[in-house]
Amino acid sequence: NAGVMQNPRHLVRRRGQEARLRCSPMKGHSHVYWYRQLPEEGLKFMVYLQKENIIDESGMPKERFSAEFPKEGPSILRIQQVVRGDSAAYFCASSRFTGELFFGEGSRLTVL
Amino acid sequence: ELKVEQNPLFLSMQEGKNYTIYCNYSTTSDRLYWYRQDPGKSLESLFVLLSNGAVKQEGRLMASLDTKARLSTLHITAAVHDLSATYFCAVVGNFGNEKLTFGTGTRLTIIP
Repeated sequence: NAGVMQNPRHLVRRRGQEARLRCSPMKGHSHVYWYRQLPEEGLKFMVYLQKENIIDESGMPKERFSAEFPKEGPSILRIQQVVRGDSAAYFCASSRFTGELFFGEGSRLTVL
Repeated sequence: ELKVEQNPLFLSMQEGKNYTIYCNYSTTSDRLYWYRQDPGKSLESLFVLLSNGAVKQEGRLMASLDTKARLSTLHITAAVHDLSATYFCAVVGNFGNEKLTFGTGTRLTIIP
C-alpha cells in the first residue's frame, strides 16, 4: 500500500517562474492537506481539499498560490511568479474523512 | 485562533539523561500528536493522544496529555544519540476536519 506520494522531491526555479507540486494521496483517502515548512520552522497549514472542492484555504497567501484536487489525478499546489521567500519544503498529507493524517516526503522548492 | 507552543526550542542533552518537552495549546482539542522529523525528511508519527490523562510509551519516549491544563509532555528517558531530531506536537482543532496546528518544534541534540 503506497503512502502519500509527492513529486518532484526537489525543484529549483528562478524568480518569476512557476512551480507546480503534485501530491497523490494514499489509496482510499479523499482528503488532502498542504503544509509549508520554512527553514528552521514548524509546519504551517495552507489548504485543505476534498475531490473537486477547496474546503479551507485560510492558510494560503492571497496572491500567486492556488491549489486543486481534481476528480482524477493528483492534487496540485501551484505557485506563480515565485519569489525567494517561497523557498521552503511543501508537505502534503492525506486522510479518510476522520483519522490520522499521513504525510508525504515533501517537495523542497529552491528559488534562485 | 488555535495556538500551539513548545518549549524548549533547542535542547542539548547528554546521553543517559532524562528530559521533558512541553506543548501548550490555547483552545480545546480532540486530539494531540507528537511527530519526529530528521533533517531533510518527512514527519514520523510517534504518538496520538485522545483523552485526558492519556499516556503512551514507546521505547525511551513517553507522551502524556492533560486536556484541562491544555498541556502535553514528551518525556525522554536515558537519552541515546539516535533520538537526536526535531520533535513537533500538533493539535487537531474543533474544525470538523483533521487540520493540524503545529508547535514550533524542539530541536533535540544528544551529546555522547
